[in-house]
Amino acid sequence: DADVTQTPRNRITKTGKRIMLECSQTKGHDRMYWYRQDPGLGLRLIYYSFDVKDINKGEISDGYSVSRQAQAKFSLSLESAIPNQTALYFCATSDLQKSDTQYFGPGTRLTVL
Amino acid sequence: RKEVEQDPGPFNVPEGATVAFNCTYSNSASQSFFWYRQDCRKEPKLLMSVYSSGNEDGRFTAQLNRASQYISLLIRDSKLSDSATYLCVADSGNTGKLIFGQGTTLQVKP
Repeated sequence: DADVTQTPRNRITKTGKRIMLECSQTKGHDRMYWYRQDPGLGLRLIYYSFDVKDINKGEISDGYSVSRQAQAKFSLSLESAIPNQTALYFCATSDLQKSDTQYFGPGTRLTVL
Repeated sequence: RKEVEQDPGPFNVPEGATVAFNCTYSNSASQSFFWYRQDCRKEPKLLMSVYSSGNEDGRFTAQLNRASQYISLLIRDSKLSDSATYLCVADSGNTGKLIFGQGTTLQVKP
């Protein structure tokens, strides 16, 4: 079984809809991250969380919100989706005690029409 | 200026060739450095960490030059299966965040 899972894997939605992307991990890591990836722009950090009570904005948080429901779960919401939020979204985890190495989920491909 | 810069390529090389990728980073406070590999439409996966003394893992060698803020990855005896995008990564100065370069695409041809 994968250590970091994301649901859904693919989603097509319409402008204005609320969308939630979910991430779960069995690695026991405290730190979790949400990124989006666009062609030519690389990975950009949306939000990150160092523990259940800690939520921080990344470089492109506008239009997104997150919830850290438990150590193992970190959800990303698009309150009112717009077409330029069409992208590949990755969740990642890391363990402070074992360096900054991050481990990624398989990604969610989101299309906003 | 991007915090981590890479030549996006693509690099097209024949099987068996040696290929080198370079990367520069702008944050002098960065302490941890990595190369990740990403296959098309898949998640990035750690290829190797990069240490000041340089490190080797089979056909892959990574080097770090802190004075020049420069990181390199050398792949010897390229295989078809090495075709992927290689992401250069630096930490953002003890913040727990990583900064990813946009990636260098490698295509190994038969």
